[in-house]
Amino acid sequence: TQLLEQSPQFLSIQEGENLTVYCNSSSVFSSLQWYRQEPGEGPVLLVTVVTGGEVKKLKRLTFQFGDARKDSSLHITAAQPGDTGLYLCAGGPNSGGSNYKLTFGKGTLLTVNP
Amino acid sequence: DAMVIQNPRYQVTQFGKPVTLSCSQTLNHNVMYWYQQKSSQAPKLLFHYYDKDFNNEADTPDNFQSRRPNTSFCFLDIRSPGLGDAAMYLCATSRFKGGGAIDEQFFGPGTRLTVL
Repeated sequence: TQLLEQSPQFLSIQEGENLTVYCNSSSVFSSLQWYRQEPGEGPVLLVTVVTGGEVKKLKRLTFQFGDARKDSSLHITAAQPGDTGLYLCAGGPNSGGSNYKLTFGKGTLLTVNP
Repeated sequence: DAMVIQNPRYQVTQFGKPVTLSCSQTLNHNVMYWYQQKSSQAPKLLFHYYDKDFNNEADTPDNFQSRRPNTSFCFLDIRSPGLGDAAMYLCATSRFKGGGAIDEQFFGPGTRLTVL
């Protein structure tokens, strides 16, 4: 069974601060996806990383996939209240065959205070 | 725009009264999923379909059933809702690319179920 440990679980910061969310596993994933979910809505895909060592940037968000494809991080620069939400990482299966499931981390609930 | 649609967005039912939640997609994805999500927690997979092949998670209660009559539609039936079944129910889709790789999952907006 593949597990993704996501930390921190809760994060409350002031507008303008930087933060990093981590997802770690002992398992290798074929891809790593990051989602953001706002209250009362479904998760929205932010980015997918597929190559070990890959770095992707989305405005103030920087996503990194570990070299061994076992871990990932999300860094937000100069956080804004609009960044508030539940951030979820999810790993794609590394094995072949009929496995169509993602492994989700437990989520990071981010609150950015004005 | 291609999307995943869930109806209704809010559903209120009584304890023990069967309820059906629906999901439709215009993405033509071959895999569809149902998740249960409780407050500020990660979504918990209940079951998924690869085309018409149904896959139940081992810890999904028998109270939860699903139907996928065609590629576009999928239903979640809760036969006898209990108070503990109050949650957000999320439908998602993805495209199986072959070789063990799946595409990203695209989620609907969810149905918030209240059990009185």
